[in-house]
Amino acid sequence: GAGVSQSPRYKVAKRGQDVALRCDPISGHVSLFWYQQALGQGPEFLTYFQNEAQLDKSGLPSDRFFAERPEGSVSTLKIQRTQQEDSAVYLCASSLVGPGIEYGYTFGSGTRLTVV
Amino acid sequence: EDQVTQSPEALRLQEGESSSLNCSYTVSGLRGLFWYRQDPGKGPEFLFTLYSAGEEKEKERLKATLTKKESFLHITAPKPEDSATYLCAVREGGSNYKLTFGKGTLLTVNP
Repeated sequence: GAGVSQSPRYKVAKRGQDVALRCDPISGHVSLFWYQQALGQGPEFLTYFQNEAQLDKSGLPSDRFFAERPEGSVSTLKIQRTQQEDSAVYLCASSLVGPGIEYGYTFGSGTRLTVV
Repeated sequence: EDQVTQSPEALRLQEGESSSLNCSYTVSGLRGLFWYRQDPGKGPEFLFTLYSAGEEKEKERLKATLTKKESFLHITAPKPEDSATYLCAVREGGSNYKLTFGKGTLLTVNP
């Protein structure tokens, strides 16, 4: 597609519920990133994939957060047993090349997760 | 730890009133400073990358400059459509890919 597509756009989850957020990167983009953006804050790094390999997951807040990209294209961010502090916009970004992001990333519009 | 501080938090301008946004950073070995624009309900949109002190880049009414401690985003004769949150980010010295963002400056341009 023309851009990075994320679904759903909005998700309301009850505390304790599991959620799955999907990211369709731009076709052919090697690198894929997940960022978390709390209200009034800048995005914060969660994890990085190069093709299907998860090279960095140092930003995942807890072991309740899990990301995968099994075929090197679509990625899913899963959050188990959601808590109120997980409420945020989850942004996915992709990049054509590997590390060396001279042209920046292309971000999707994000999934706004609200945990009630 | 790398830090990025943006000021002001919010800026309101009249159409045509030029101004600057500031991004100060603390990073061990800068490997790129990035400016993004973010509209409500959208993801950040890439504007510029700067790599070394003295470098400048321009795009329409925007010009980004870089020193060893800070970057400025100059907006010349802004229009209402320039209203957005402007985010600054640095690529961490030890990483090829991880960006550390500031909180952003919310710019409102009134007609």
